[in-house]
Amino acid sequence: ETGVTQSPTHLIKTRGQQVTLRCSSQSGHNTVSWYQQALGQGPQFIFQYYREEKNGRGNFPPRFSGLQFPNYSSELNVNALELDDSALYLCASSLLPQETQYFGPGTRLLVL
Amino acid sequence: QKEVEQNSGPLSVPEGAIASLNCTYSDRVSQSFFWYRQYSGKSPELIMSIYSNGDKEDGRFTAQLNKASQYVSLLIRDSQPSDSATYLCAVGGPGGQNFVFGPGTRLSVLP
Repeated sequence: ETGVTQSPTHLIKTRGQQVTLRCSSQSGHNTVSWYQQALGQGPQFIFQYYREEKNGRGNFPPRFSGLQFPNYSSELNVNALELDDSALYLCASSLLPQETQYFGPGTRLLVL
Repeated sequence: QKEVEQNSGPLSVPEGAIASLNCTYSDRVSQSFFWYRQYSGKSPELIMSIYSNGDKEDGRFTAQLNKASQYVSLLIRDSQPSDSATYLCAVGGPGGQNFVFGPGTRLSVLP
C-alpha cells in the first residue's frame, strides 16, 4: 500500500507566476485535502475534494484553485503568486471526509 | 470562525517525565479530534485520533477528550529525546471537510 505522494518537493517561482502542485492519494482513499503551512504556524485548510467534487473551502482567495481526477489524485493551482504564498503546501488523503487524514511529504514553495 | 488553541511552548521536560499537551476548540459541533507530530522540515504524522469522551491509550500516548469543556489533551509517558517535535491538535466538524489545526506546541525532551 503506497502512501500519499506529492510533487515537486521544492519549487522556486517569481511573483506573478503560476504554479501547479500535484498529489496522489493513498490507495483506497477518495478524499484529498490541501493545506498551506507557513513557517512556525499550523496548517491552514485551503480546500477538500471528495469523489471529484469540492467538499469545502477555507479562507483563501480565488487564485487558489484545485481539481480532483477520477483516480482521486489532485492538483492545487495558484495564480498570480505573491511573496506571502511562500510556504509548505501539504496534501492529505482520507477514506472519507470526516476520517483520519494522512499527509504527504509536502511541497516547499518559495516565491521571490 | 472555528478556532483551535494550544498551550504556548516551547515545553521542555526531562527524559523519562510525562509531557502534557493541551488543546481547546471553539466549535461545539466538532466530532473528531486528532493529534499529529511534526518534526522540523517534515510533514505531520498521525499519533492518535479520538472521537468519544474519555481516555484513549496507545503505547506511551494517552489522548483525553472532554466535549463539555471543549478540551482535548495528549499525555506522553516516559518521554524520549526522539519525542522532541511540534505537536499539532486538529479538530474536524460533522462533515469532515474542514479540519482546523491549532498553532502547535513545540516539545523538547532533554536527555
